[in-house]
Amino acid sequence: EAQVTQNPRYLITVTGKKLTVTCSQNMNHEYMSWYRQDPGLGLRQIYYSMNVEVTDKGDVPEGYKVSRKEKRNFPLILESPSPNQTSLYFCASTVSANTEAFFGQGTRLTVV
Amino acid sequence: QKEVEQNSGPLSVPEGAIASLNCTYSDRGSQSFFWYRQYSGKSPELIMSIYSNGDKEDGRFTAQLNKASQYVSLLIRDSQPSDSATYLCAVNYLKNTGFQKLVFGTGTRLLVSP
Repeated sequence: EAQVTQNPRYLITVTGKKLTVTCSQNMNHEYMSWYRQDPGLGLRQIYYSMNVEVTDKGDVPEGYKVSRKEKRNFPLILESPSPNQTSLYFCASTVSANTEAFFGQGTRLTVV
Repeated sequence: QKEVEQNSGPLSVPEGAIASLNCTYSDRGSQSFFWYRQYSGKSPELIMSIYSNGDKEDGRFTAQLNKASQYVSLLIRDSQPSDSATYLCAVNYLKNTGFQKLVFGTGTRLLVSP
C-alpha cells in the first residue's frame, strides 16, 4: 500500500530535550515536506526537500532541522524544543513540483 | 508573501443541498490548485486537483478554476452528513530556486445537517 508513515503519532516532551520525528514514504517520490498545523493559522510549511541532500526552508523553519540522506526518509529534528513548538505536524510527499501532496497520519507534539 | 484566502465558516447546508466553497490566491503565476478534506485531528486527503481554467468533475465534486480572477471553487452536490469536515484550498507556487511551495488556506468548515 502506498503511504507516508510518521512516527511517533503522539509525543509529550520537556523543553530542551532533543527529539526526532521520522517520516518515510514508499512511493519513490522525490519531493518531501514538513508542515505544522495550528488553530487559526492553517498548515504552514517548515522545510522542503526536492531530492537527496537537497533541502530548502519553508515559512517557519526556526527551531527545526531536517536531513535527506535517503530518498524515502525525511526526519524532522527539534534540537531544543520549546512550548511554542507544540503543534500537529504532518509529513507529505509528492511525485513532482506541481502535483498533489500525500500526507502522513500526523504527529501531535506537546512540549511542556 | 503568497496567500490563499478562504472563508473560515462554518458553512451550514442541509443534507442533499449543494455546498459551494471558495478560495482566492495572490500569485498570478500559480499553475496547480488542490482541494483537500480534513476531518478533525486527521491528515488532509486529496479531493480534487485542477490545473487549467474551467470545470473539473469527479462524482459529486466539481472544481472550478478562473485564473484571470485568481479564484478556485469546489461544489459538493447532494451533500451528506459525512461531508462535514474542513476543506483546505492549496495552491502550488514554483519558486525561482526551482523548489515548490504548497501554500494552504486556513480552511472552510462545512457542516451538513441531516
